[in-house]
Amino acid sequence: KQEVTQIPAALSVPEGENLVLNCSFTDSAIYNLQWFRQDPGKGLTSLLLIQSSQREQTSGRLNASLDKSSGRSTLYIAASQPGDSATYLCAVSISSGSARQLTFGSGTQLTVLP
Amino acid sequence: NAGVTQTPKFQVLKTGQSMTLQCAQDMNHNSMYWYRQDPGMGLRLIYYSASEGTTDKGEVPNGYNVSRLNKREFSLRLESAAPSQTSVYFCASSEFPTGNKNTEAFFGQGTRLTVV
Repeated sequence: KQEVTQIPAALSVPEGENLVLNCSFTDSAIYNLQWFRQDPGKGLTSLLLIQSSQREQTSGRLNASLDKSSGRSTLYIAASQPGDSATYLCAVSISSGSARQLTFGSGTQLTVLP
Repeated sequence: NAGVTQTPKFQVLKTGQSMTLQCAQDMNHNSMYWYRQDPGMGLRLIYYSASEGTTDKGEVPNGYNVSRLNKREFSLRLESAAPSQTSVYFCASSEFPTGNKNTEAFFGQGTRLTVV
C-alpha cells in the first residue's frame, strides 16, 4: 500500500527565507506527483504537477523536484512571504483499475512571519 | 470559471439522519472523486468514478454510497450518519487518463459536516 509522509508537520520561518518542504513515498510506481496548497477552511489549490519522467517543475518562486527511485520530492519556496502561509500537501498518483487515485501526505503547515 | 462546485458548504446532522452531498464540475472531466479530510490524516479516498456509468470503492467506503448522475455530477450519500463521519468532504475531478497522459486533479471548496 502506498504511503506518503511529509516532514516537518509544521514549520515557522521569518519572511524572506528560502525553505524546503519534504515529501516521501513508499512505492516508486507512480504516474505523477502533485503539490497542493490549502488555506484554512478552504479547498485545495494545485501548485505543481511533476510527471514521473520529469526531475523538476518550476512555477514562479516555487520549484518542485522528484526522485522516483528514492521515493522523494521536495518543494522549494524562494524568498518566502507572509502570504505563503498555508498547509502544503503532496500527493502521488497511482493506478487503480481504469482510474488514477491520489494518495496524500498529511501536509506541512507553513507560517511565514512578517 | 466555476471548476468544481460542492453543496452544501456546511451541514450539521443528528446521528442516524441521512443526507446527500452534491458535486458538479464544468471542465468536461471524465473522472470524479470523493475524499474526506480528518485532522492529521491527510485526505483519504472514499469513492471514485473513472467515467460516466462506473463507480468504485476507495480506501474508506463504509457508510457511504455514491451516484454518478451524469458526466458533470457525482453525489455522495450518507444513509445513517454517525459521529465518526464528522469530517471535511472534498470532491475532485480530472481528465480520464489515457496512455502516459498525466492528469491534474481539481478540487472543490469542501463540505464541512458535523454529526452530533
